[in-house]
Amino acid sequence: AQKITQTQPGMFVQEKEAVTLDCTYDTSDQSYGLFWYKQPSSGEMIFLIYQGSYDEQNATEGRYSLNFQKARKSANLVISASQLGDSAMYFCAMREGIQGAQKLVFGQGTRLTINP
Amino acid sequence: GAVVSQHPSWVICKSGTSVKIECRSLDFQATTMFWYRQFPKQSLMLMATSNEGSKATYEQGVEKDKFLINHASLTLSTLTVTSAHPEDSSFYICSATNNGPTEAFFGQGTRLTVV
Repeated sequence: AQKITQTQPGMFVQEKEAVTLDCTYDTSDQSYGLFWYKQPSSGEMIFLIYQGSYDEQNATEGRYSLNFQKARKSANLVISASQLGDSAMYFCAMREGIQGAQKLVFGQGTRLTINP
Repeated sequence: GAVVSQHPSWVICKSGTSVKIECRSLDFQATTMFWYRQFPKQSLMLMATSNEGSKATYEQGVEKDKFLINHASLTLSTLTVTSAHPEDSSFYICSATNNGPTEAFFGQGTRLTVV
């Protein structure tokens, strides 16, 4: 069974600093997708970034990048130049298979707080 | 990007009543939708997979008679919490995909409080 682990319940970072949120995963599948979502206090799930298991390059989306280390089964999210608005819960998730109609399994989440 | 609309965003109901939550894909057809439940300070847990035109697939431990799912069209799935009790109070959120690999689209979520 697939599993996602986020070992940091909370992170506190100074504004404008970079922050890395850890995520490790476990799957026996060769094809899978890894996601990061941001959940502010309103509850909505905001998609940040996606990495496919066969993607050779690390995914980047603006200030977000995903440090994908396949051999170590880790998919850490890096946020550069953090902003106050980045304060939220962050979830790492995995989908087995590469097509869309597969369920996501989520990690426990990391609460990120950006201090001014 | 694609939009998924969930309604209502919050609801308060009396114990013993039923509550229906709608999840709509606004600009794409979704043959599959997913319903998640999230307790305070916890992660999202998949409840069931909603398949258009067929019965939903429930995760282990989820009562299918308690949480009725109907996916009658390619753009609408509904979750009905029947005979709600205070322990059903939670945040329910749906997601849908257009079968593209890179994103799962989420509704805004519904905060259910049973009193």
